[in-house]
Amino acid sequence: EAGVAQSPRYKIIEKRQSVAFWCNPISGHATLYWYQQILGQGPKLLIQFQNNGVVDDSQLPKDRFSAERLKGVDSTLKIQPAKLEDSAVYLCASSPRGGISYNEQFFGPGTRLTVL
Amino acid sequence: GEDVEQSLFLSVREGDSSVINCTYTDSSSTYLYWYKQEPGAGLQLLTYIFSNMDMKQDQRLTVLLNKKDKHLSLRIADTQTGDSAIYFCAELSGGYQKVTFGTGTKLQVIP
Repeated sequence: EAGVAQSPRYKIIEKRQSVAFWCNPISGHATLYWYQQILGQGPKLLIQFQNNGVVDDSQLPKDRFSAERLKGVDSTLKIQPAKLEDSAVYLCASSPRGGISYNEQFFGPGTRLTVL
Repeated sequence: GEDVEQSLFLSVREGDSSVINCTYTDSSSTYLYWYKQEPGAGLQLLTYIFSNMDMKQDQRLTVLLNKKDKHLSLRIADTQTGDSAIYFCAELSGGYQKVTFGTGTKLQVIP
């Protein structure tokens, strides 16, 4: 079974530029998550999708961050414009369906963003 | 609140037992997890425990849950160099079944 795919793996941009990250979850997984992991901290949930609908985006800085999951499969996360404090690893995860059983999440390798 | 706290660093000798501790604040958590993160890789679920259990054993891993004190621990028996990684505890709670991760404990295994 293929895992969660993310691209790019690394990205360096200057502040005020825009950037987009792509995630392809495990086939058949209904729930998709985007996390931000700042160096030395645990992952922080940015947004959770159930199929193509948003379940929780309470911690997404909506003035600069946006995410979509068209057709309920892959997803993109965009930052526009980027700030220095956005430097982090952006993790995508998927699970078969949120809210049941122990809800194991399968994580991709992440995209490391550096904002200069 | 949803803060999940862990000590930052633990160093053990190969062959010894490791104990990683975690405290959480949401008493309504249904599941608690331990995830492992190796350098350059995403998180991987190691084990989990349902909130009505006190203990769970899985090969070299033992999870202890003290709901009264909101304390979770992970014991790794016979720690190996391949166990060197960052370990995150996490809790599942809330109407949206949100997972909140701790700050992570970096385990260093000395040969």
